Amino acid sequence: KQEVTQIPAALSVPEGENLVLNCSFTDSAIYNLQWFRQDPGKGLTSLLLIQSSQREQTSGRLNASLDKSSGRSTLYIAASQPGDSATYLCAVSPSLGAGGTSYGKLTFGQGTILTVHP
Amino acid sequence: DAGVIQSPRHEVTEMGQEVTLRCKPISGHNSLFWYRQTMMRGLELLIYFNNNVPIDDSGMPEDRFSAKMPNASFSTLKIQPSEPRDSAVYFCASSRQERETQYFGPGTRLLVL
Repeated sequence: KQEVTQIPAALSVPEGENLVLNCSFTDSAIYNLQWFRQDPGKGLTSLLLIQSSQREQTSGRLNASLDKSSGRSTLYIAASQPGDSATYLCAVSPSLGAGGTSYGKLTFGQGTILTVHP
Repeated sequence: DAGVIQSPRHEVTEMGQEVTLRCKPISGHNSLFWYRQTMMRGLELLIYFNNNVPIDDSGMPEDRFSAKMPNASFSTLKIQPSEPRDSAVYFCASSRQERETQYFGPGTRLLVL
């Protein structure tokens, strides 16, 4: 059974710092990995999706890397801003065969609560 | 596009009552997902549909929970009878295809007294 772990559980940094959020998964047979953001009381917003064949994806100040063989992904946020404060979740989907026919099933980590203070 | 629409946004009910949550996916999306989020268990997939057909319902807690997708633009998640432990935020999400980016609705916050 796939398990996803995110470290740290919470992180507080001053504005302007570069930071790294970590995600690890136990079964490397994944199809893709997604990073989401969740603001308090809101739904999830997709930030980046990395296919298993890719090493990284970038969007603005965000960069996500994937090392499938070691079961790890990192989300790098450059020049953090107070508006980046939110919970960040990673999720993986199973590769063909690994998840039966449940190709769309995402397994989520518990998230990292990020606070960026001015 | 209006995004994924969920109703109601908040629901307070008493134990034993029937609860129906509704979801309208993004037009053109073929996959629809129901999730439950609690502090203790995080975000869990309850069931998902592809082209209106249930694909994986292994996360549905028990027979008290049922979900339907009668057409491509509407889905319901029903709890009957409801119990206090069902209190959670229920999210609906949709995607163009099963493995593509999922777009989440704002959620329904359910409290069962």
